[in-house]
Amino acid sequence: EVQLVESGGGLVQPGGSQRLSCAASGFTFSNYWMHWVRQAPGKGLVWLSRIIGDGSFLSYADSVKGRFTISRDNTKNTVDLQMNSLRVEDTGVYYCVRVTVGSSSVEVDYWGQGTLVTVSS
Amino acid sequence: QTVVTQEPSLTVSPGGTVTLTCASSTGAVTSGYYPNWFQQKPGQAPRALIFSTTNKHSWTPARFSGSLLGGKAALTLSGVQPEDEAEYYCLLYYDNSYFFGTGTKVTVL
Repeated sequence: EVQLVESGGGLVQPGGSQRLSCAASGFTFSNYWMHWVRQAPGKGLVWLSRIIGDGSFLSYADSVKGRFTISRDNTKNTVDLQMNSLRVEDTGVYYCVRVTVGSSSVEVDYWGQGTLVTVSS
Repeated sequence: QTVVTQEPSLTVSPGGTVTLTCASSTGAVTSGYYPNWFQQKPGQAPRALIFSTTNKHSWTPARFSGSLLGGKAALTLSGVQPEDEAEYYCLLYYDNSYFFGTGTKVTVL
């Protein structure tokens, strides 16, 4: 059974840092792209970042570029999101998501349950 | 910045049919945008329904189908059930990035 379990959420002050982690199980982790998605309270979904299976390629949404860093450890089956210079508008539930990319297909399938980050003084 | 627009809300009767659309500010949505669709109920994580325009996951009910319609991605719910009441989001891939739609609240009434 595929499982994605996020951790690391909590209350952080504006300008502070937080590190989120997602533990994956039930599949060959290194074969998949992994993404992070955020949802502010009562709002829609926002794509944040992605990392390829071997970690050699990654990309970010403009809103977090230069502040957030995605990384993965294929020996531990984890993908992390290091968040620096946090702003009030970064508040939300952060989801870890599995994606399969083929020659003519993009398949977003499994989501974690999410972890809540609250940026407030 | 790319903006992906969906209908804010739609209402459908049980057993009826409703079509949700997903438009991009960049122009017509094609299969090369690899549209994905998700359902989200209150307090829950999103659940994947459709990938790469028309493909269903193993758990996707048969009454859900994806297509391209008039330059937009579309999700059609046929024979709507009360449990289909939820928020629905599309996701497009464009210019090495991903963009979620604004979401459609579907009410079954």
